[in-house]
Amino acid sequence: DTGVSQNPRHKITKRGQNVTFRCDPISEHNRLYWYRQTLGQGPEFLTYFQNEAQLEKSRLLSDRFSAERPKGSFSTLEIQRTEQGDSAMYLCASSFGQGEEKLFFGSGTQLSVL
Amino acid sequence: EDQVTQSPEALRLQEGESSSLNCSYTVSGLRGLFWYRQDPGKGPEFLFTLYSAGEEKEKERLKATLTKKESFLHITAPKPEDSATYLCACGWGGGNKLTFGTGTQLKVEL
Repeated sequence: DTGVSQNPRHKITKRGQNVTFRCDPISEHNRLYWYRQTLGQGPEFLTYFQNEAQLEKSRLLSDRFSAERPKGSFSTLEIQRTEQGDSAMYLCASSFGQGEEKLFFGSGTQLSVL
Repeated sequence: EDQVTQSPEALRLQEGESSSLNCSYTVSGLRGLFWYRQDPGKGPEFLFTLYSAGEEKEKERLKATLTKKESFLHITAPKPEDSATYLCACGWGGGNKLTFGTGTQLKVEL
């Protein structure tokens, strides 16, 4: 068990470009979450999956954001036409679900939009 | 609106000087009160989950307690390696989503 893995660790992009992040959860976990954290704030919920189904999206998640979890394994988060306000740490977490409530977080992808 | 408020924002302690961090919450349908530790540049690391008022949990120098409106994280005889940001979060709704507070940044000095 290597924990939740996120790639890349850092991403610098220019405004208007598209970016994609990847998350590999703990293998036996069926729930996967995406959170966003800005400096001095706690993480904010964006979306979550139960296996391959995306069950909920926060109203924080604009139409420029899309997340997938094909086959219920790894997940990707894509941001289209990035804006400077998208600069943040994007955190992925996973859990067993089904009564096991605690979330295990990855180290995040730090996005800087110039 | 659901809210999680942590205090103080920052705390500086001498090694061995015990103290407490506070987390007050207004969340409907609470499904657990969580404490996480976060080191710079890393994701939050799970510490405790509390489910009902009166519940207490301990781990090394840390002890978490829960009432109907707030939770405390007590740190006994802290060491420099306890320096980190401590985040409180409330679980709610289907899928147990978490609403986090802004954290308490703890610095323990020799």
